[in-house]
Amino acid sequence: DAGVTQSPTHLIKTRGQQVTLRCSPKSGHDTVSWYQQALGQGPQFIFQYYEEEERQRGNFPDRFSGHQFPNYSSELNVNALLLGDSALYLCASSFWGIPGTNTEAFFGQGTRLTVV
Amino acid sequence: SQQGEEDPQALSIQEGENATMNCSYKTSINNLQWYRQNSGRGLVHLILIRSNEREKHSGRLRVTLDTSKKSSSLLITASRAADTASYFCATGRQHYGQNFVFGPGTRLSVLP
Repeated sequence: DAGVTQSPTHLIKTRGQQVTLRCSPKSGHDTVSWYQQALGQGPQFIFQYYEEEERQRGNFPDRFSGHQFPNYSSELNVNALLLGDSALYLCASSFWGIPGTNTEAFFGQGTRLTVV
Repeated sequence: SQQGEEDPQALSIQEGENATMNCSYKTSINNLQWYRQNSGRGLVHLILIRSNEREKHSGRLRVTLDTSKKSSSLLITASRAADTASYFCATGRQHYGQNFVFGPGTRLSVLP
């Protein structure tokens, strides 16, 4: 079991450019969530995908968009990059589940995005 | 404002000592999960405790949950230098999927 895998590991982009980050969930998981973690802070929820649809969204602008594929993998796209978008982007996979149950969410190693 | 707040923000102990970290949250939850993060890398899942549970153990880890006080604690016994990391609590409120609100974390330093 490969766990949650993210690519690339590191990325440097110029302000105004666009970036795409990728995530493959843990085997058996069908839900992917994306988080942004600024230096010294806790992760902030961006959005969550299940059945190829965005199900929940945090307080992030429309420049942040995503996609989920039939094999449950997901992409995070950020347009018109700002210096403030520099952060560690984490992907978490989980099982959507049955009402009333609780399942663990597992995180990937993250993508370190630097905007210059 | 953040749902979860860890306390203390930083903790420094000697190897072999116990480390206790606390987490407070504001709204009702279905579950609470603790994670460890080494040097800005990915989060490692430590333990999940459900809202109807009061205590769980996993190896050297002990987690308690007090829903009346909206608080949880993580105890690491007989700490090791390898336990040096940031620890986060994440509260889950959804019935479907898992969408977490994280606190700022506790930075634990275990000195040899």
